[in-house]
Amino acid sequence: AQTVTQSQPEMSVQEAETVTLSCTYDTSESNYYLFWYKQPPSRQMILVIRQEAYKQQNATENRFSVNFQKAAKSFSLKISDSQLGDTAMYFCAFMKHGSDDSWGKFQFGAGTQVVVTP
Amino acid sequence: GAVVSQHPSWVICKSGTSVKIECRSLDFQATTMFWYRQFPKQSLMLMATSNEGSKATYEQGVEKDKFLINHASLTLSTLTVTSAHPEDSSFYICSAPHRWGKNIQYFGAGTRLSVL
Repeated sequence: AQTVTQSQPEMSVQEAETVTLSCTYDTSESNYYLFWYKQPPSRQMILVIRQEAYKQQNATENRFSVNFQKAAKSFSLKISDSQLGDTAMYFCAFMKHGSDDSWGKFQFGAGTQVVVTP
Repeated sequence: GAVVSQHPSWVICKSGTSVKIECRSLDFQATTMFWYRQFPKQSLMLMATSNEGSKATYEQGVEKDKFLINHASLTLSTLTVTSAHPEDSSFYICSAPHRWGKNIQYFGAGTRLSVL
C-alpha cells in the first residue's frame, strides 16, 4: 500500500513571497503519478500540478513548480509570488499507474493549510 | 473543459432517513467514478469505485449496505447513504476520470451532509 506524508499542517507566507510545501511518499511501484491539489474554502478540488514518475523533468505551471526526487520519494511544491487567492488547503496525492482496479484511485496526504497574508 | 456536477451541495436530514447524492459528468462519458469522504480538517478518503454496468467496489472498512452506489448510465453515479446517523455527517466528493486516462480526473464540488 502507498502512503503519502505531508509533515507541515500549516504554512504562512506573505504576499509576493515564496513558500515550499513538502510531501514524501512510500511505494514499491515504478510507474505512477503525483499530484498537488488545492482545496480553497469552497472545497472544490482544483488540480495545481501533475508529475509522471517516468519523467525526470520537474513539472511547472506558471507560479507553481515541483521538485521531484524519485529516489528520495519526495515531491515538494513551490509557490512563487504568492497571492491572496492561493490561500487554501493543499493536498499531495499519489496515483498508481496500471490496468488493474487500483488505477485511478488517489491516495491523498493529510494536507497543508497555506495562508497568504497581505 | 470537462465538468462534473454533484448535487445537492448541502443536505440536512433527520437520523434514520436515506439521502441520495448524484454525480454527473456533463460533457464526457465516465464508465468509472470514485467516491471520497472528507471529515472536517482532514484529508479525502476513498470510499468506493463506481462502475457502469457492474457492482461498485468498496474500500476496506466501508459498509456496502450503508453506502449504496449505483452507476446507472455512462454519465451518472449515485451514492445513497441509508439510514443516516450523525456519524455519517461529512463532506462527500465524487471524481470522474477523463477518457484520455485515469490520471486526468475531474472532481465534483462536493456534498455536505448533516444528519441531525
